[in-house]
Amino acid sequence: AQSVTQLGSHVSVSEGALVLLRCNYSSSVPPYLFWYVQYPNQGLQLLLKYTSAATLVKGINGFEAEFKKSETSFHLTKPSAHMSDAAEYFCAVSDRPGGYNKLIFGAGTRLAVHP
Amino acid sequence: GAGVSQSPSNKVTEKGKDVELRCDPISGHTALYWYRQSLGQGLEFLIYFQGNSAPDKSGLPSDRFSAERTGGSVSTLTIQRTQQEDSAVYLCASSFDSSNQPQHFGDGTRLSIL
Repeated sequence: AQSVTQLGSHVSVSEGALVLLRCNYSSSVPPYLFWYVQYPNQGLQLLLKYTSAATLVKGINGFEAEFKKSETSFHLTKPSAHMSDAAEYFCAVSDRPGGYNKLIFGAGTRLAVHP
Repeated sequence: GAGVSQSPSNKVTEKGKDVELRCDPISGHTALYWYRQSLGQGLEFLIYFQGNSAPDKSGLPSDRFSAERTGGSVSTLTIQRTQQEDSAVYLCASSFDSSNQPQHFGDGTRLSIL
C-alpha cells in the first residue's frame, strides 16, 4: 500500500533561513509525488509535482524538491524563508491505480516563520 | 469561475440530519475528486469521477455517504443521518484528465455536526 510520512508536524524557521520539509514515501510502483500548501481557511494549492521526469523539480514561490529513489524521499526546500511562507504543507503520492491520481497525503507540516 | 467552487463554505447541522455539499469543477476538467480533511484522520480520499465511467467509491467511509456527478460537471456529496464524527472539511478537486495533470482544489465546505 502506498503511504507518505512527513517528519515533523511543526517546523519553525527565521525569516531568510533555509526551509527544509521532509517527506518519505512508500510505493510499490514508480510514484507520482506532489507538494501542496494550504493557507488558513483555503483549499490546497499545488507547489510542485514529480512525474518521473527530472529528479529536481522547481515549483512556485521559490520552492523545489528532489526525488531520491534510493532514499524514498521527496523533501521540499526553499533557500530563504519569507513570512508569507507560513502555512501547512502536505506531501502526497499517487501510483495511479486504475490509471488516475488518487492522492494519498501525509499528515502535514505546519511551517512557522518568525522575524 | 476560474477555480473550483464549493458551496456552502460552512454548514452547521444537527446530528441525524442529511446534508448536501456541492462542487462545481473547473470548466473542461473531466476528473473530479472528493477528499475529507479532519483533525484525527488528516486528508482522506473519498470518491473519484472520470467522465461517464463508473466512479471509484472505495474511500467512502460508510453507506451513509454517496455522491453523484450530473452531466459530467457539478457534483454533489450527500451525507445521510449525520454523526458527530462526520464533522470535517470536505474538499473537492478537479483535473483536466485522469493522467498526471495536477488536481486543483476548492476552498472546501466546513461541516459541523452538533
